[in-house]
Amino acid sequence: ETGVTQTPRHLVMGMTNKKSLKCEQHLGHNAMYWYKQSAKKPLELMFVYSLEERVENNSVPSRFSPECPNSSHLFLHLHTLQPEDSALYLCASSQEAGAEKLFFGSGTQLSVL
Amino acid sequence: GESVGLHLPTLSVQEGDNSIINCAYSNSASDYFIWYKQESGKGPQFIIDIRSNMDKRQGQRVTVLLNKTVKHLSLQIAATQPGDSAVYFCAEKMAGTYKYIFGTGTRLKVLA
Repeated sequence: ETGVTQTPRHLVMGMTNKKSLKCEQHLGHNAMYWYKQSAKKPLELMFVYSLEERVENNSVPSRFSPECPNSSHLFLHLHTLQPEDSALYLCASSQEAGAEKLFFGSGTQLSVL
Repeated sequence: GESVGLHLPTLSVQEGDNSIINCAYSNSASDYFIWYKQESGKGPQFIIDIRSNMDKRQGQRVTVLLNKTVKHLSLQIAATQPGDSAVYFCAEKMAGTYKYIFGTGTRLKVLA
């Protein structure tokens, strides 16, 4: 158990669906992140939140909408996704934004049909 | 451009032998490096890290070596065990930034 919990573990959705990914960290950290992991590609940073404020949006399409209601919870709202968005979406947290050690959740494996 | 790469996509090692996983980086301004292990169906798990003012750091059965002259990072696993089978990837980071640059990963297979 890494202290970062993601739900659901698996998600299949059509291109017209709306769904949300949830992340919760139990580590008392102040920063949370969304990463995308595609097959045979390096981890890609999507968003960074520091104390519920978004501090980084790494050129992510608007069909991905993050939400951070408090420092322990992070959501990724999905709408009108494309098949190429199918990937493992990983949530991570760190003590502070930009701190060196990231703690990852187990991810949500997303398939867009 | 900035990149972190791995020399071998798959490494097969006999159980009990030592493993060496290599990583090349191109950003000389990076001052922090980290190795993660990712097992099937799980998220990346921290293994060991090293700052640029060091050239070697040891943990439990693992050692990270940093050669800044040739921009090379390696992870050594002593007495490799079946539980070490996973994908290993390195990452680099510059101080004051949020973004890690991750490698694509090397799959380690431990043969019984």
